[in-house]
Amino acid sequence: GENVEQHPSTLSVQEGDSAVIKCTYSDSASNYFPWYKQELGKRPQLIIDIRSNVGEKKDQRIAVTLNKTAKHFSLHITETQPEDSAVYFCAASIGTGNQFYFGTGTSLTVIP
Amino acid sequence: KAGVTQTPRYLIKTRGQQVTLSCSPISGHRSVSWYQQTPGQGLQFLFEYFSETQRNKGNFPGRFSGRQFSNSRSEMNVSTLELGDSALYLCASSIGQNNEQFFGPGTRLTVL
Repeated sequence: GENVEQHPSTLSVQEGDSAVIKCTYSDSASNYFPWYKQELGKRPQLIIDIRSNVGEKKDQRIAVTLNKTAKHFSLHITETQPEDSAVYFCAASIGTGNQFYFGTGTSLTVIP
Repeated sequence: KAGVTQTPRYLIKTRGQQVTLSCSPISGHRSVSWYQQTPGQGLQFLFEYFSETQRNKGNFPGRFSGRQFSNSRSEMNVSTLELGDSALYLCASSIGQNNEQFFGPGTRLTVL
């Protein structure tokens, strides 16, 4: 089956700096890559996603890039704010239904 | 629209017992997926139900089972509980496949 690895496991940045989280996947058939944000004690929520026919997608301060050849995708958060502090999960799906393989998460702390 | 709901929110059981968790998806969502979340392991896929049929299954032992009803509500059952089953169990609903998953608040299961 698919295996998704996520790095780093923890990340601290100063407010206003950028944060980058990287994920790799093993199954070249994976074609959908969502990113979820989970604040402490809350449920995961989708923040951005990308499909395999697109190399980059941006939504305000958040962007995701996908390199199909290298089988890795990354989350970029610019101008970080304290409310960006949370655990971020990447995921990959092959597309037969809704079977998602998640990374182990990155705990992001934005220091004011 | 009401979000995904899960009951109960908290459960304490002892080893050897069995437990049933319930998930009500967003109205109109026919896909329900279940995940086990533990510290350091991230979210691990248990199974997905669509139109009362199990469409996908993760790598969990047969003690973990589920079902879906005609109104798309889903239940998961864990029999012969083990200490290692202590976790947050999340369900998520989707419209279609390979699309955003909307998570419920989770059921926190503690096995003593």
